[in-house]
Amino acid sequence: SAVISQKPSRDICQRGTSLTIQCQVDSQVTMMFWYRQQPGQSLTLIATANQGSEATYESGFVIDKFPISRPNLTFSTLTVSNMSPEDSSIYLCSVEQASGYTFGSGTRLTVV
Amino acid sequence: RKEVEQDPGPFNVPEGATVAFNCTYSNSASQSFFWYRQDCRKEPKLLMSVYSSGNEDGRFTAQLNRASQYISLLIRDSKLSDSATYLCVVDDAGNNRKLIWGLGTSLAVNP
Repeated sequence: SAVISQKPSRDICQRGTSLTIQCQVDSQVTMMFWYRQQPGQSLTLIATANQGSEATYESGFVIDKFPISRPNLTFSTLTVSNMSPEDSSIYLCSVEQASGYTFGSGTRLTVV
Repeated sequence: RKEVEQDPGPFNVPEGATVAFNCTYSNSASQSFFWYRQDCRKEPKLLMSVYSSGNEDGRFTAQLNRASQYISLLIRDSKLSDSATYLCVVDDAGNNRKLIWGLGTSLAVNP
């Protein structure tokens, strides 16, 4: 199965700043997915990132807050912009495989 | 009604016990079903896909009941290393690539 390298693994950020999370996949994939898992909550899909087109955002998530880049078939970034404490969460990237979905190791973000 | 519902537990069982988790889903048109395992502070990892005919992988057995919109996971001969949160995952039938995740069922296997 694909191996996903996600970084940073964790960060503590000041409110009002932005953080960019990177995911590198060891094989080419058409679609990459960005999820959020808030404390005590289920995984929630933020957006789907296709190479060469704009990301598709789920209800409740907007591009200005969570801009995504997908410059090639092995890499994507998610930026959490103008952060507030409510953005404290685990952020995960994921790719689809024949057998299911594989996840990066996650970025644990704390906004203070 | 939540789209995917699971008993959050925690389930506390002794080593060697058999434990079963249940999950119900709301969209009768869903086609893909999975069980994922998530260890504390780690990413979810696929445990097994769930097929209509049911499937077994070693000590783990998954069953799907489409009529009742119900999925189950059975773990036999529990090991300490089985302690984790088990997530029930169902596709959003209107958007096959979108997954709907349950909150998870927490299992603690005790020596």
